[in-house]
Amino acid sequence: TQLLEQSPQFLSIQEGENLTVYCNSSSVFSSLQWYRQEPGEGPVLLVTVVTGGEVKKLKRLTFQFGDARKDSSLHITAAQPGDTGLYLCAGPLLNSGGYQKVTFGTGTKLQVIP
Amino acid sequence: KAGVTQTPRYLIKTRGQQVTLSCSPISGHRSVSWYQQTPGQGLQFLFEYFSETQRNKGNFPGRFSGRQFSNSRSEMNVSTLELGDSALYLCASSPDPRTGAEYGYTFGSGTRLTVV
Repeated sequence: TQLLEQSPQFLSIQEGENLTVYCNSSSVFSSLQWYRQEPGEGPVLLVTVVTGGEVKKLKRLTFQFGDARKDSSLHITAAQPGDTGLYLCAGPLLNSGGYQKVTFGTGTKLQVIP
Repeated sequence: KAGVTQTPRYLIKTRGQQVTLSCSPISGHRSVSWYQQTPGQGLQFLFEYFSETQRNKGNFPGRFSGRQFSNSRSEMNVSTLELGDSALYLCASSPDPRTGAEYGYTFGSGTRLTVV
């Protein structure tokens, strides 16, 4: 069972278009992180959202944390080829031992065509 | 400051062999987590080490093990390799477990393991 479901799985768009990626869960998260991963490299942290309803902007990227802290979205305005990559959301959940364990979403593979 | 260093970058092994992967975290970071990434399963948590102690373990067989040294460098070992162990193995560094879990990790570039 995937605790963090991302949609869509794949997205291929033309340069200049806008897009939104979703990260949904039935669990409440104390925070959610978004990463971007390029082929053959490790994920790179883009942003962390910690407050329900929070909106954070990073240049053309806008991140939102749902009011109930169960979901998040990433909106990219005027996508560029450099935005191509795998986008991952991630968040901590307490395991049975009382430790936080970070779970990663299923990922959204974005291709921006010049 | 230097990032997270994983060695080697690429590795080809034969079924039944064992392998050791290394991770040097960012200077001052004492927490290291390991993940396995495959196209079918995505990023799966292997284990987490903090101050030389394993704090968390994922659902992987006992063939997967790890350790952390006093300088925070970590190694993971996979014994009796199977074809299904072919994956990108990623190391994630953070100052401590809570900071990493709540605010995010710095990842290395990974070790691409191919088992033939």
